[in-house]
Parts: sequence; C-alpha cells; structure tokens
Amino acid sequence: IQLTQSPSFLSASVGDRVTITCRASQGISSYLAWYQQKPGKAPNLLIYAASTLQSGVPSRFSGSGSGTEFTLTISSLQPEDFATYYCQHLNFYATFGQGTRLEIK
Amino acid sequence: EVQLVESGGGLVRPGESLSLSCAASGFAFSDYHMNWVRQAPGKGLEWVSSISGSGTYIYEADSVKGRFTISRDNAKNSLFLHMNSLRAEDTAVYYCARVGGYQPFDLWGQGTLVTVSS
Repeated sequence: IQLTQSPSFLSASVGDRVTITCRASQGISSYLAWYQQKPGKAPNLLIYAASTLQSGVPSRFSGSGSGTEFTLTISSLQPEDFATYYCQHLNFYATFGQGTRLEIK
Repeated sequence: EVQLVESGGGLVRPGESLSLSCAASGFAFSDYHMNWVRQAPGKGLEWVSSISGSGTYIYEADSVKGRFTISRDNAKNSLFLHMNSLRAEDTAVYYCARVGGYQPFDLWGQGTLVTVSS
C-alpha cells in the first residue's frame, strides 16, 4: 500500500489554517497516524486512528478521513508548528507518506 | 523516565556489518512490539523491521530482507538490529520506536547515524 501526501511543500503564515492530505492506494479503514518532525529530532505522534489526538498534543491539530483519503488540519498555525509532517499506515508492514514540509511564508 | 536510547552507529565500508542497540527504560519492555525506522539524509521515514514483544514474530521491509536481522533481549530491556552486507543506500539515521502493528509509534529514540562509505 502506497501513501501519497499533498502538497509536498507548503508555505503559510502564523494564524493560517492549513490542511495536508494523505491518499492511500487501497482502502485502509482508519489505520492511519500523523507525525510531526522537526530538524534533527525524532518524529512525534500527533494523531492516530485517523482522528484521535495523542495525549499532550494541542487541540489545534485534528485529523479526519477513512478508507483512502485522510486529512491533517492545523486550525491556527503557531510558530512551533513549522516542521515536516508524515502520515503512516498502521500495519505490521508500516508505510509512511513522503512527507509535507511546512514553512513560514 | 520512559525513553529509548540507540547506540552503535558509525562509519563502515560497503559490504561490512554493524549492530545497533536500543536500550529501553521506564516501561514494561516485553509487553511491547518494537521497530526500527530509518531516515536517509534529507529524505523521508522508512520502516525497516519490527518484532513482537515475545520475539516470536518478525517483520521486515523488502529493502533489508536477508541482510538485516532484528532481535531483542527482554531480560536486558534491549532491542537490536544486526546489519550485514551494508550498502551506500543504507546510510541513514536509525530510530527505534515502540509499538506498531495496528498501533502508532508512540515513543521514539533520538536516533543513531549509520554511514556506509568507502
């Protein structure tokens, strides 16, 4: 199963609402997670089961979707949100999307 | 403190071998499925291999099958990745990560860099 994220690069401003899409090549029900990664750091889990917010993650992050199309939304960008975001198929043979780099406009 | 700490990375020549370790602390290690994930310089995340809590079940990416072997020592709260026949394309930061299967990776180590170059 392949995961394709769009866009690959996104430029936005503090306070903007942004949405990142992850499309699966086959239906994966809700077996999808989202991670945030900052330069030189390990990824950090944001969302799992497509829409469940990981403990400690700010509520401005939300996830939705099922089957083949999923979205990660940040309702109001904060300076610390500029990072790279990855979706992941939750499976014994895990697959990650290619990543979306979110930069400050 | 709940944490994972990788070690063992370094510079090796193509065709050589290297073993990585991941020391777990702060949680019941044997209860958790564990993984290795790598990230080549400037690239995305690639899942490498995973092992069940008991060590009974092992899963491997096609890119490393037959060359890399995952193992664990629950008595020592440690995860290992034995890498043989290393190639330049194996150059990456290698992370260990907790859980997997139908569960997300909720705990990651800081990573250890493996460089394969002549």
